[in-house]
Amino acid sequence: NAGVMQNPRHLVRRRGQEARLRCSPMKGHSHVYWYRQLPEEGLKFMVYLQKENIIDESGMPKERFSAEFPKEGPSILRIQQVVRGDSAAYFCASSPGQGTSEQFFGPGTRLTVL
Amino acid sequence: AQRVTQPEKLLSVFKGAPVELKCNYSYSGSPELFWYVQYSRQRLQLLLRHISRESIKGFTADLNKGETSFHLKKPFAQEEDSAMYYCALSPSYNQGGKLIFGQGTELSVKP
Repeated sequence: NAGVMQNPRHLVRRRGQEARLRCSPMKGHSHVYWYRQLPEEGLKFMVYLQKENIIDESGMPKERFSAEFPKEGPSILRIQQVVRGDSAAYFCASSPGQGTSEQFFGPGTRLTVL
Repeated sequence: AQRVTQPEKLLSVFKGAPVELKCNYSYSGSPELFWYVQYSRQRLQLLLRHISRESIKGFTADLNKGETSFHLKKPFAQEEDSAMYYCALSPSYNQGGKLIFGQGTELSVKP
């Protein structure tokens, strides 16, 4: 089991461009979480998805950010018209769901906005 | 409000000294508490959870509901314990759902 996979590991975008971050959960896991870590801060919850459903998006900024977890393929976190303040590490985690609160984390994607 | 506070950004100790990383939480219900660790160039991984009441790599943590604390302790620190440590809270006991993280404490164990 390769664990949670994220790509790319590093992403550089210019202001105004779009950023797409991908996350493949662990085998058998149907729950995916996205977190953002700004410099010198802890991880902040953004969104919680199950296959084809958004369960909790209380941590997502209201504009420019969206997330999906389609029936087939990885979960995608999409940031439109990036700004310098979006520069951060974005972590994905997965879990089997019911019966446990433990989450397994990916290596993260470091987004730099120039 | 749901909040996790780790008051120390950096904790530096010598090898063999006792270690205590502090964690306080604010939550009105019955949370589930975790300690996650991130070693250099590795991903975040679970160290221990309060419901399992086990000792991992010599670390223990006791949930004190009266003081709303979940401090991480080890009697004799080792150099390989140097890492970032994050305390986290799950409002949904064993039901999945988001984790609320503290700001993290960097532990540095000197030889």
